Amino acid sequence: NAGVTQTPKFRVLKTGQSMTLLCAQDMNHEYMYWYRQDPGMGLRLIHYSVGEGTTAKGEVPDGYNVSRLKKQNFLLGLESAAPSQTSVYFCASSPDRERSYTFGSGTRLTVV
Amino acid sequence: QKEVEQDPGPLSVPEGAIVSLNCTYSNSAFQYFMWYRQYSRKGPELLMYTYSSGNKEDGRFTAQVDKSSKYISLFIRDSQPSDSATYLCAMSERSNYQLIWGAGTKLIIKP
Repeated sequence: NAGVTQTPKFRVLKTGQSMTLLCAQDMNHEYMYWYRQDPGMGLRLIHYSVGEGTTAKGEVPDGYNVSRLKKQNFLLGLESAAPSQTSVYFCASSPDRERSYTFGSGTRLTVV
Repeated sequence: QKEVEQDPGPLSVPEGAIVSLNCTYSNSAFQYFMWYRQYSRKGPELLMYTYSSGNKEDGRFTAQVDKSSKYISLFIRDSQPSDSATYLCAMSERSNYQLIWGAGTKLIIKP
């Protein structure tokens, strides 16, 4: 089925460990986004990309890095995980200059 | 103060009731307004999309924008238990494709 696929779906990390979250879309969308969702905080933008090879910081970029080497993939990295990064992470994509986002089903990350 | 304010709820109503969900905003430059629905443990999905002021209807759902009051609403008629979800409003300026999100309202429809 066409859409946005996030892997893994669940992960538990120890403080200081690193990991990479993968987002893949098969809709040929130009724009891709990484959000985190915390209770009462809504969706907060971490990083985004407006095309292959481009990335930009969002509202809460500290502690995260991203890469978009291929148009269909957007990777989110945590270099040294902290308990404050416990959250649900969502990837989204949209066509160029469009505001209708397609979201993945999320990655639930716990940092202990 | 957040740019977009949304009551987190939960809002609990009986099946068949008319539901009204609302967001207020402070940025008068917002021109595009959206409602997303998010079921538990799922990603948000686009429900309604409107430009500038006015109403838009799609089946049992009506989206309303009042730019003079900086207030948007989503009405659900003949509510069903399957409408139980969190509803997030989102909006953006004309020249910016990033969305500014409300925190979401949790809606519970009781059978």
